[in-house]
Amino acid sequence: AIRMTQSPSSFSASIGDRVTITCRASQGISSYLAWYQQKPGKAPKFLIYAASTLQSGVPSRFSGSGSGTDFTLTISCLQSEDFATYYCQQYYNYPRTFGQGTKVEIK
Amino acid sequence: QVQLVESGGGVVQPGRSLKLSCAASGFTLSGYGMHWVRQAPGKGLDWVAVIWYDGSNKYYADSVKGRFTISRDNSKNTLYLQMDSLRAEDTAVYYCARDVFMGRMVDAFDIWGQGTMVTVSS
Repeated sequence: AIRMTQSPSSFSASIGDRVTITCRASQGISSYLAWYQQKPGKAPKFLIYAASTLQSGVPSRFSGSGSGTDFTLTISCLQSEDFATYYCQQYYNYPRTFGQGTKVEIK
Repeated sequence: QVQLVESGGGVVQPGRSLKLSCAASGFTLSGYGMHWVRQAPGKGLDWVAVIWYDGSNKYYADSVKGRFTISRDNSKNTLYLQMDSLRAEDTAVYYCARDVFMGRMVDAFDIWGQGTMVTVSS
């Protein structure tokens, strides 16, 4: 199975900050990568697929980039509603696998 | 309104069985690949199984292969997960999720249910 490793596992940031989360695959996955946001007690929310394509309705402050093994999720100007845990997920092959999550907390 | 609603969770003893349901509304289930994803308490997301939009393929995580079965009833617009030989490590919130595109497989999940809790304990 492809292992997805996110970094950092958690960090603190302030409203208005530009933040970047990294996701690394244990083997090349082309651009077959998605990103999700999850808040406590809620189902995940779909943000990005194909590494950089923003799902309809997702604010433009979210962006994704990368291909092969290294990917990033960037939030250009952090808002209060963005404090959550973020997961990457590969869909290059089965079994589909997620990163361990990155928790973004308020500083 | 596009929606998925899971049911069937509960407390079950190790070795026993449980069947989860996921009722879809606002769209036709048969046109989409459908997945089960679980999340153990305080842990991350763990993909469990998929059934392709045309029903031609089913795939499972290694941890559940041979014990869990994914299926759907198009007439009821409902997805199922039959879980047999349950183990303590299967304890989790189970989400059903829809593939992002109709008529083809991408395996990114745009619509999620609210989840149903399964606790395996004696």
